[in-house]
Amino acid sequence: GENVGLHLPTLSVQEGDNSIINCAYSNSASDYFIWYKQESGKGPQFIIDIRSNMDKRQGQRVTVLLNKTVKHLSLQIAATQPGDSAVYFCAENTGGFKTIFGAGTRLFVKA
Amino acid sequence: GAGVSQSPRYKVAKRGQDVALRCDPISGHVSLFWYQQALGQGPEFLTYFQNEAQLDKSGLPSDRFFAERPEGSVSTLKIQRTQQEDSAVYLCASSLEGGGGRYEQYFGPGTRLTVT
Repeated sequence: GENVGLHLPTLSVQEGDNSIINCAYSNSASDYFIWYKQESGKGPQFIIDIRSNMDKRQGQRVTVLLNKTVKHLSLQIAATQPGDSAVYFCAENTGGFKTIFGAGTRLFVKA
Repeated sequence: GAGVSQSPRYKVAKRGQDVALRCDPISGHVSLFWYQQALGQGPEFLTYFQNEAQLDKSGLPSDRFFAERPEGSVSTLKIQRTQQEDSAVYLCASSLEGGGGRYEQYFGPGTRLTVT
């Protein structure tokens, strides 16, 4: 939606550097996790997902790490580009119909 | 190919008016979700359809909110007697598989509702 990112935690990185966005989830019963990217004026866009039987999953320039012991999820973006600037949400599912989104982190890439 | 579309993109309503928000999911997608996104926050689940069946409406904030998907494709979210706290972006998402939020969801651009 519009004006996404107001009052959100912000991560500022230099173009070409790697970015790491962290997320703590609360429900130990959650077994499916997703990262979404949301640009201003648009709906969230799927980036990558991971199920609880995995610790790590890689995509194109992105890696998701899951630590179930401490209920922590992270998204790593390699060689960050200006087009990566957006708000990033982690989301979780406990096996039901509902997806629970986190509060979001705004990534700002400096050229 | 066409993604998820929503209309209108912007809606201004006076307090007390009824509004209807439309979602056209990706053709053939079984699952359809509605979310509410307040300014600066993550989307919050409202309701879920598997084909025409509304299987979860636990996120609807009050009985003024009603959603339907009568033929298992297009869905409408209706808000009766709108209040200022209803001002938000309403997002629709669809997913190829059934089973709720356990698969990749494709989101529309949202409808920004402002209640004055």
